[in-house]
Amino acid sequence: EDQVTQSPEALRLQEGESSSLNCSYTVSGLRGLFWYRQDPGKGPEFLFTLYSAGEEKEKERLKATLTKKESFLHITAPKPEDSATYLCALSQGRGSNYKLTFGKGTLLTVNP
Amino acid sequence: DAGVTQSPTHLIKTRGQQVTLRCSPKSGHDTVSWYQQALGQGPQFIFQYYEEEERQRGNFPDRFSGHQFPNYSSELNVNALLLGDSALYLCASSSRPSRGEKLFFGSGTQLSVL
Repeated sequence: EDQVTQSPEALRLQEGESSSLNCSYTVSGLRGLFWYRQDPGKGPEFLFTLYSAGEEKEKERLKATLTKKESFLHITAPKPEDSATYLCALSQGRGSNYKLTFGKGTLLTVNP
Repeated sequence: DAGVTQSPTHLIKTRGQQVTLRCSPKSGHDTVSWYQQALGQGPQFIFQYYEEEERQRGNFPDRFSGHQFPNYSSELNVNALLLGDSALYLCASSSRPSRGEKLFFGSGTQLSVL
């Protein structure tokens, strides 16, 4: 069965202290790996899609990378406004019928 | 451009009751998916609707049903509510055909079952 495991469950950083979040996965045929950000009381907000091992994408202080077994979300010099839960998800399905399988998320807190 | 809108934002029900949640997709989107997110967990896929038909379903009992209307809006119905149905219910929309997986989520409906 396809699975997504995120670590750590929670992470506290000081402002400016860079770190990485991990998403390990097992899937029969990767269709896509997604990173979302979720603020309290809100729905997930799309960040990145990665489709193949070696692919990297960046947005402001965030950089997502992908290998055959895991993905990392690197946060460089974080600010308090980066505090949120970061969710990793796999896309599963055939043709145009698909669904996302999410991990439990990493709760990131950035202290000023 | 309005994003995905869901109503109501909060709902309190008692065990055994029935509930209907509503979703309007982002403009230009024709596919709606529903997810359940329990506290401290990631969202879990319930089902997906496209062209007014259920296209894919997750591991949820038949108490969970849905509908999509010609204007692409959607409803999620849950019958015989259980305490364990308390969760944030998220609607997500996307556009097909494409790889399509970039889902846009609404802010959800927080359902509490007492």
